[in-house]
Amino acid sequence: QVQLVESGGGLVKPGGSLRLSCAASGFTFRDYYLTWIRQAPGKGLEWLSYISISDDYANYADSVKGRFTISRDNAKNSLYLQMDSLRAEDTAVYYCARALQPTVYYFDYWGQGTLVTVSS
Amino acid sequence: QSALTQPASVSGSPGQSITISCTGTSSDVGGYNYVSWYQHHPGKAPKLMIYDVSNRPSGISNRFSGSKSGNTASLTISGLQAEDEADYYCSSYTSTSPVIFGGGTKLTVL
Repeated sequence: QVQLVESGGGLVKPGGSLRLSCAASGFTFRDYYLTWIRQAPGKGLEWLSYISISDDYANYADSVKGRFTISRDNAKNSLYLQMDSLRAEDTAVYYCARALQPTVYYFDYWGQGTLVTVSS
Repeated sequence: QSALTQPASVSGSPGQSITISCTGTSSDVGGYNYVSWYQHHPGKAPKLMIYDVSNRPSGISNRFSGSKSGNTASLTISGLQAEDEADYYCSSYTSTSPVIFGGGTKLTVL
């Protein structure tokens, strides 16, 4: 069955960096667009970024553009999110999700999330 | 761009029907038939329940249905069951970003 498992979350100081990973299994990873979505405490969901099948195109929300970088390794069935210049408002649970083909705006499988806390 | 507007909470008794609304603008909900709904049990992975306004993915119960009128989309759950208690989020394609979500609605089954 399709599985997405996030890791790499934790406590980081403002201005610091963190790299999230998402390990995928149960489907042909290289055939799907993938995305990162987050949920701040007490808030709704926020789309952050998606990446194309061959890692040659990515799109970002304005809130993270220039600070976060999405990437993938199709040989390792893994998705990544490099987060730099972290701010307190980046505190959230971060989810990776698979885009429902052929769209980039529906997500048919999600991970359970990894918590990122930005605090001094 | 502001999140889509959902009621913070709704409730219903087992067997009843409830409807959750999701209000946007002509730049998102009203402008495209690309609305989806997600069910989220806290601590679990969110689950796609409806896409393209009213389509159900394989395996989703027909107790869940979606509709749209103007700038407002709706999710209706009929024959409420205890396991339906969860948070529900709408989302829509937008003219400025691939997707925008609602603030979420907590469904309580009484």
